[in-house]
Amino acid sequence: GESVGLHLPTLSVQEGDNSIINCAYSNSASDYFIWYKQESGKGPQFIIDIRSNMDKRQGQRVTVLLNKTVKHLSLQIAATQPGDSAVYFCAGKATGNQFYFGTGTSLTVIP
Amino acid sequence: DAGITQSPRHKVTETGTPVTLRCHQTENHRYMYWYRQDPGHGLRLIHYSYGVKDTDKGEVSDGYSVSRSKTEDFLLTLESATSSQTSVYFCAIGPYGDQPQHFGDGTRLSIL
Repeated sequence: GESVGLHLPTLSVQEGDNSIINCAYSNSASDYFIWYKQESGKGPQFIIDIRSNMDKRQGQRVTVLLNKTVKHLSLQIAATQPGDSAVYFCAGKATGNQFYFGTGTSLTVIP
Repeated sequence: DAGITQSPRHKVTETGTPVTLRCHQTENHRYMYWYRQDPGHGLRLIHYSYGVKDTDKGEVSDGYSVSRSKTEDFLLTLESATSSQTSVYFCAIGPYGDQPQHFGDGTRLSIL
């Protein structure tokens, strides 16, 4: 079946450094991907999305890169702050309005 | 917040008891979803609804039923709870603005 997976379950970075979180997906037909942030005790929060006709998309302090050749996407967070500590996971569009979700990378920002 | 309220937020119950979780939205949104989240798994779709009395099964629907008698409420029922249904349950609506789905803050359900 379709799946997305994250390369590292945990990631620690120094405050102010850039963070890179990776995700691989299996369904080459997926044309839409999303990154979510989830804080403890909260629901997933939308960060940024990208369609398959793009290689890169930038938001506020975040950039998503999509490499369709190797079915890989990444989330880059610039100048990581303590408030960025959370679990991050990717999702890919399956059929209709349904999505498949990765398991997440737990990001810890060290002050 | 987008106006999604899940209740209860926490519940502990015993195996074999019926459990109903409620998702209430104030956005008058047509599409609603129930997911479960477990360690080692991404969010998995249980059931979804495209409107009043219009529901369908997701990836992990066994042991669950849903009802949508009003646009604003989407109920998830475990007819006879089992320990394997211990999980965190999330409700979502979507598409919502520029987001594909917007989530509530979840219900943590423990079945002993």
